[in-house]
Amino acid sequence: DGGITQSPKYLFRKEGQNVTLSCEQNLNHDAMYWYRQDPGQGLRLIYYSQIVNDFQKGDIAEGYSVSREKKESFPLTVTSAQKNPTAFYLCASSIVGGSGNTIYFGEGSWLTVV
Amino acid sequence: GNSVTQMEGPVTLSEEAFLTINCTYTATGYPSLFWYVQYPGEGLQLLLKATKADDKGSNKGFEATYRKETTSFHLEKGSVQVSDSAVYFCALTLPDNDMRFGAGTRLTVKP
Repeated sequence: DGGITQSPKYLFRKEGQNVTLSCEQNLNHDAMYWYRQDPGQGLRLIYYSQIVNDFQKGDIAEGYSVSREKKESFPLTVTSAQKNPTAFYLCASSIVGGSGNTIYFGEGSWLTVV
Repeated sequence: GNSVTQMEGPVTLSEEAFLTINCTYTATGYPSLFWYVQYPGEGLQLLLKATKADDKGSNKGFEATYRKETTSFHLEKGSVQVSDSAVYFCALTLPDNDMRFGAGTRLTVKP
């Protein structure tokens, strides 16, 4: 089945640690996105990429890093510089070009700082 | 800038009640408009969309009409069910794929 796979579903991070969230898609989409969702709140864009080896900062990129070495993969690293990383992280993808493109989401990853 | 404002929740309704969740937008250019639904602990799923003025998106009994004159895309359903309990997000996207989401509205339907 085509879709977006995020892993792990649940992750615990100690203070000062970097952690990486995986996102893989087999939809052949050029664009991929990372959003952060805090309890009871909307989505905020962290990073996005419209083509391999290129990505742009979203609204809250500080303390995060990404790479896009393959079309199918867009991992997100939450660094120790992110002071309040506990949140629900959503990866998404879409085609590029035209208008009205639907963005498809993965099931999300819960990150908790312990 | 481009943004979406939607009705604050939470909204609590009895089964078979009529649902309206208001959504208005601000955008430069000609956005496409979306409603997404999020069930507990899951990602967002596309519920419906409309890509130009006066288009009506519909799915699973939900409807929304793209109103350019009022810059709105209100979500409606004539008779809600317990299984409709979820968080609903209004969103817009422009041709450069910049997608903006509203804050979400939590709906609880009681039997």
